[in-house]
Amino acid sequence: DQQVKQNSPSLSVQEGRISILNCDYTNSMFDYFLWYKKYPAEGPTFLISISSIKDKNEDGRFTVFLNKSAKHLSLHIVPSQPGDSAVYFCAARRYGNKLVFGAGTILRVKS
Amino acid sequence: DTGVSQNPRHKITKRGQNVTFRCDPISEHNRLYWYRQTLGQGPEFLTYFQNEAQLEKSRLLSDRFSAERPKGSFSTLEIQRTEQGDSAMYLCASAPGTGGKHHAGELFFGEGSRLTVL
Repeated sequence: DQQVKQNSPSLSVQEGRISILNCDYTNSMFDYFLWYKKYPAEGPTFLISISSIKDKNEDGRFTVFLNKSAKHLSLHIVPSQPGDSAVYFCAARRYGNKLVFGAGTILRVKS
Repeated sequence: DTGVSQNPRHKITKRGQNVTFRCDPISEHNRLYWYRQTLGQGPEFLTYFQNEAQLEKSRLLSDRFSAERPKGSFSTLEIQRTEQGDSAMYLCASAPGTGGKHHAGELFFGEGSRLTVL
């Protein structure tokens, strides 16, 4: 069962514009949601997270929004930079720090 | 500060052979995880250790898979009688105990060990 879904396999944006990556989940028991970034030949690295009791968390150019009623979260990157080109995974945490990942979205930022 | 180290980085084997992967976590981290990632998918949880205790195993971890963390430091993941469906990237991640300055749910991943079963 896919509890975390990223329905867009890829996204292409122009440098300087906003990138919006989306994620949907089904399990109401998740307490934290996270975004990881992955470059080729590297492991995923933590980017930003949000508690299930919040609706927004911001860190520099990155903002994560959580809509619990819709079971939806999104990652906004403003402004997008070529170095942001990577695979972005949405993840949700259950007990024991066990993370459930989405399939990922490939972001390409064109200069 | 050395990160999570995994060896070997790439293993090619014939169907039916046994393979073993090793993970050296960040030294002060007492939690260790194994994930598997196949093409076009996100990482899937396999198993989790707190110190030397294996606290959870996924249903994905068949009887052919075994993981150990004998002294609460490095961990090994062994796959016996490999099948072509075992071909994947095997990712190890570690995390410190609760408290501290890390983010809730943050895992520190290694670069992975890619298994190709012919």
